[in-house]
Amino acid sequence: AQTVTQSQPEMSVQEAETVTLSCTYDTSESDYYLFWYKQPPSRQMILVIRQEAYKQQNATENRFSVNFQKAAKSFSLKISDSQLGDAAMYFCASASSGSRLTFGEGTQLTVNP
Amino acid sequence: EAGVAQSPRYKIIEKRQSVAFWCNPISGHATLYWYQQILGQGPKLLIQFQNNGVVDDSQLPKDRFSAERLKGVDSTLKIQPAKLEDSAVYLCASSRHQETQYFGPGTRLLVL
Repeated sequence: AQTVTQSQPEMSVQEAETVTLSCTYDTSESDYYLFWYKQPPSRQMILVIRQEAYKQQNATENRFSVNFQKAAKSFSLKISDSQLGDAAMYFCASASSGSRLTFGEGTQLTVNP
Repeated sequence: EAGVAQSPRYKIIEKRQSVAFWCNPISGHATLYWYQQILGQGPKLLIQFQNNGVVDDSQLPKDRFSAERLKGVDSTLKIQPAKLEDSAVYLCASSRHQETQYFGPGTRLLVL
């Protein structure tokens, strides 16, 4: 079984600043994937970034990057140059190949102008 | 490429009534998932299809929930009879090679 823990129910950041959202996970699988999804008030889940566990290099997508620490089972998301449109609920999730996503409880991010 | 489509977007029913949700995955995606997201929580898997076969329905309340995937494309999720605790957002997702899942807009269900 997989578990995902997000210890920050809420975070806030000033526009144009950088914020880091924390996530830890536990899995017995050797082949797995980690994801960050964004959920705005519309409730649609939008993929932000994905990391394959076998890759040592941290994934990057424009202003979004991750710090993947496999031994510590840690997977944090860094958002640089925060924008008002980044305000949303952010979910960390894990999945082994071909199976369900296991989600954390989410972090509500507020971006202050 | 069109995304995952879901309908209806919103539904209000009374307890003990029945309701059905529809999902059309991204073209070519063999795997389809239904998740239930209760307010304030992360989504939880109800059922996973690979083409038109069920891969995982271990967390589907089978006494009231049922799902099918017609010809390995569209899927329908049904609740009969609905309970108050079924109020949630029902999210459909699909994936091509069982890796990254892409989600539809969801259906918000309110049971009164």
